[in-house]
Amino acid sequence: ELKVEQNPLFLSMQEGKNYTIYCNYSTTSDRLYWYRQDPGKSLESLFVLLSNGAVKQEGRLMASLDTKARLSTLHITAAVHDLSATYFCAANREDSNYQLIWGAGTKLIIKP
Amino acid sequence: NAGVTQTPKFRILKIGQSMTLQCTQDMNHNYMYWYRQDPGMGLKLIYYSVGAGITDKGEVPNGYNVSRSTTEDFPLRLELAAPSQTSVYFCASSKLSNTGELFFGEGSRLTVL
Repeated sequence: ELKVEQNPLFLSMQEGKNYTIYCNYSTTSDRLYWYRQDPGKSLESLFVLLSNGAVKQEGRLMASLDTKARLSTLHITAAVHDLSATYFCAANREDSNYQLIWGAGTKLIIKP
Repeated sequence: NAGVTQTPKFRILKIGQSMTLQCTQDMNHNYMYWYRQDPGMGLKLIYYSVGAGITDKGEVPNGYNVSRSTTEDFPLRLELAAPSQTSVYFCASSKLSNTGELFFGEGSRLTVL
């Protein structure tokens, strides 16, 4: 059974610092997603990672995927207050293209 | 471009009542999904559909029903509401592609008292 674990679940950091959110998954999966959710809002797609070694970057956020280690990371560079949100990773079940298993989310607070 | 639209945004139900959450998308996506999000948790899939007339259960289908008569609409029916169904419900859609990227509605906050 596929399980997805994120850590940390809560992160408070200062502007200008770097940090990484980790997403581990328990069985093989061929797609890994990162989403952002602002309080009381919907979920916004950030990255879709499709292959081992995939790296994608958008602004101060960079996501990577290591399928052998079953690990994806979301790295934040020189954090700014606007990046405060909850970040979710999700992996697809290989036996069902339509079912994503979601991590519990990482609540990120960036203090000015 | 409206994307995925859900109604209502908020609803309070009494135990045993029934209701339907509406979801419509204007992106001509084949796949549609209903998720629930409980506080501090990730999303759990309730039901999904791969096209008009085709639906299937997700992880937590008990107490819910769906239908998909058109490509655009995917309503979620709650029968005999229970306090355990208090949650935020999200409808999502995706197109037939290898990325499977989901596009979400704004969510519907349901409270069962």
